[in-house]
Amino acid sequence: DAGVTQSPTHLIKTRGQQVTLRCSPKSGHDTVSWYQQALGQGPQFIFQYYEEEERQRGNFPDRFSGHQYPNYSSELNVNALLLGDSALYLCASRRGGNTIYFGEGSWLTVV
Amino acid sequence: GNSVTQMEGPVTLSEEAFLTINCTYTATGYPSLFWYVQYPGEGLQLLLKATKADDKGSNKGFEATYRKETTSFHLEKGSVQVSDSAVYFCALSDTYTGTASKLTFGTGTRLQVTL
Repeated sequence: DAGVTQSPTHLIKTRGQQVTLRCSPKSGHDTVSWYQQALGQGPQFIFQYYEEEERQRGNFPDRFSGHQYPNYSSELNVNALLLGDSALYLCASRRGGNTIYFGEGSWLTVV
Repeated sequence: GNSVTQMEGPVTLSEEAFLTINCTYTATGYPSLFWYVQYPGEGLQLLLKATKADDKGSNKGFEATYRKETTSFHLEKGSVQVSDSAVYFCALSDTYTGTASKLTFGTGTRLQVTL
């Protein structure tokens, strides 16, 4: 049983560019959340998707957007990248009130 | 809003020493509490959890008790090993049912265990 899988694992982008990160939830999970973890900090909640709709959003600008597909997989899009967007982006999945599982993350470096 | 405060690291211990990492929280209602561990270069792994007051979560020799009166969830282990070296995050979820819950994390405490 595969856990939460994310791609790509590492990527480098230039300021002003756009990036798309992808996540496949753990089998049987229907709720996907995204978190941003800056170096030396705890993860910060970006948003959560359920039934293909954004259900809750953290304190992130509109440059951060997402999508959930019918198979529950999800994408995180970030437009107009800033140096401060450099971080580890974590995807998490769950089903109902059960335990939240995290993927290994996508390391984004903006130069 | 919800918040989690952890003791600052790094915490450096010798193998077989006793570990305590303090965690306190601020939340409305009755949150669920978690400890996650992050090994170098990896994502987060759930270490243990407690969903109501006075519950004790335990796993791999680690334990933490949900103390509502002191709003605390301190992590303890009686004898640490070198393999326990990692960053430990305390977190809370403002609701454990339904689809709208999210995790609020502390800033993490780095533990380094030496021989």
